[in-house]
Amino acid sequence: DTAVSQTPKYLVTQMGNDKSIKCEQNLGHDTMYWYKQDSKKFLKIMFSYNNKELIINETVPNRFSPKSPDKAHLNLHINSLELGDSAVYFCASSQEGGGYYGYTFGSGTRLTVV
Amino acid sequence: AQTVTQSQPEMSVQEAETVTLSCTYDTSESDYYLFWYKQPPSRQMILVIRQEAYKQQNATENRFSVNFQKAAKSFSLKISDSQLGDAAMYFCAYRRAGNTGKLIFGQGTTLQVKP
Repeated sequence: DTAVSQTPKYLVTQMGNDKSIKCEQNLGHDTMYWYKQDSKKFLKIMFSYNNKELIINETVPNRFSPKSPDKAHLNLHINSLELGDSAVYFCASSQEGGGYYGYTFGSGTRLTVV
Repeated sequence: AQTVTQSQPEMSVQEAETVTLSCTYDTSESDYYLFWYKQPPSRQMILVIRQEAYKQQNATENRFSVNFQKAAKSFSLKISDSQLGDAAMYFCAYRRAGNTGKLIFGQGTTLQVKP
C-alpha cells in the first residue's frame, strides 16, 4: 500500500497548457503539502492544507491553485504553464503531534515544460 | 525567518568508513524539531533521523547519529560503516513546534560512497 501517491510521475507539456497533479494519502493524516524541488534540488514549500483548509500559501504565482476536496486528497492545478515551472513537485502529509512528526512524501512528479 | 544551511554541496566517503554531514540553522524559537532526510536517485524522500530540541541527548538510528548543539544551532549527521546504499542527497530540515509548522530544508549535500 502506497502511503502518499502522486499521479502522474512524469508530465511533459507545452508552454501555455493547463495541467493538474493529483495526490492522495491513506495514512489518515490531517495536513497535506505541496513542495517544489528546482533544478538545483532546493525544496521549497508552496501550499499546506489542514483538514481541507488552506493554512500555508507561500509566494507562488496565482497560476498555481491547490484544491483539497477532502483531507485525504490535495491536487495542484497549474494554468498557463511556463518554462520556469519545470521542476519536481512533491506532495507530502503529516500527522498532528506538535511538529514531532516529519512529513511522509510522495515519490514526486517531474514536470517538464517545453 | 528560520533558515537552514548546509555548507557542503558534496562529500565522499570510502565504504565502511565514517562521514559527517554538517548543518546549521537559524531560529528565534526555543521549541522545534530537526530532521535529516535522504533522497536517493529514485527521488523518494526518506526520513533518516529526528531530534527534538528540548532533548539534550543526541538521536541515534542504527548507523546514523546526530551531534546536536543547540547553543551553536548546529545539527550534524554522522554515518558510520558507510554502505553503497547510503549514496544519496541528504537534506537537513527544521520544523518549529506546533501542528502547522512547515518543514524548512537546507540546500542538500550529495554523498558519494566509494567501493
